[in-house]
Amino acid sequence: AAGVIQSPRHLIKEKRETATLKCYPIPRHDTVYWYQQGPGQDPQFLISFYEKMQSDKGSIPDRFSAQQFSDYHSELNMSSLELGDSALYFCASNLGESGADTQYFGPGTRLTVL
Amino acid sequence: QQQVKQSPQSLIVQKGGIPIINCAYENTAFDYFPWYQQFPGKGPALLIAIRPDVSEKKEGRFTISFNKSAKQFSLHIMDSQPGDSATYFCAASSRNTPLVFGKGTRLSVIA
Repeated sequence: AAGVIQSPRHLIKEKRETATLKCYPIPRHDTVYWYQQGPGQDPQFLISFYEKMQSDKGSIPDRFSAQQFSDYHSELNMSSLELGDSALYFCASNLGESGADTQYFGPGTRLTVL
Repeated sequence: QQQVKQSPQSLIVQKGGIPIINCAYENTAFDYFPWYQQFPGKGPALLIAIRPDVSEKKEGRFTISFNKSAKQFSLHIMDSQPGDSATYFCAASSRNTPLVFGKGTRLSVIA
């Protein structure tokens, strides 16, 4: 079965640079969630989208923005990168209004800021 | 304030043992309680989930016990194997809201 696809899988950036992470949800899933996981930490919710509209907002820094496109893929844009942004970034998807709560996670993007 | 409290932080069991991981929550609006398994460098993978209308759910070697009045739920892994060594996260949410995770339990199953 198709899973959530994230790209790139690894990304190395310098401080103050920008980065764009991409997420392709499971086919027919209309809701996307972004999570950040620091080393040895639990995933922290950043932001979510349902039908291309922002549905919830968590601890996402103002330097970050995200959107969901007409094909339901989502992009997380990160600017003025800081060392503390180094983390695993996960995208998860589900069918928002169907009542299916289960979120399926992608393999993640490991971002390293030098 | 951690909305979902998970314990223990780490756990070592012998092969064949039954590790038990516990979680407690405060928000009574939560109505969905999944457990995720995560290997290093990989994404969390759903193991099993439960809703408050049942007190126990079993899938293969994994069992969730749920105590609604105590606002607690736990994961039992029967006949644990070295391949079960991973970090386990409990989580909670209400309908279509983001997951709130516990801090995780690092399980090591030794042969």
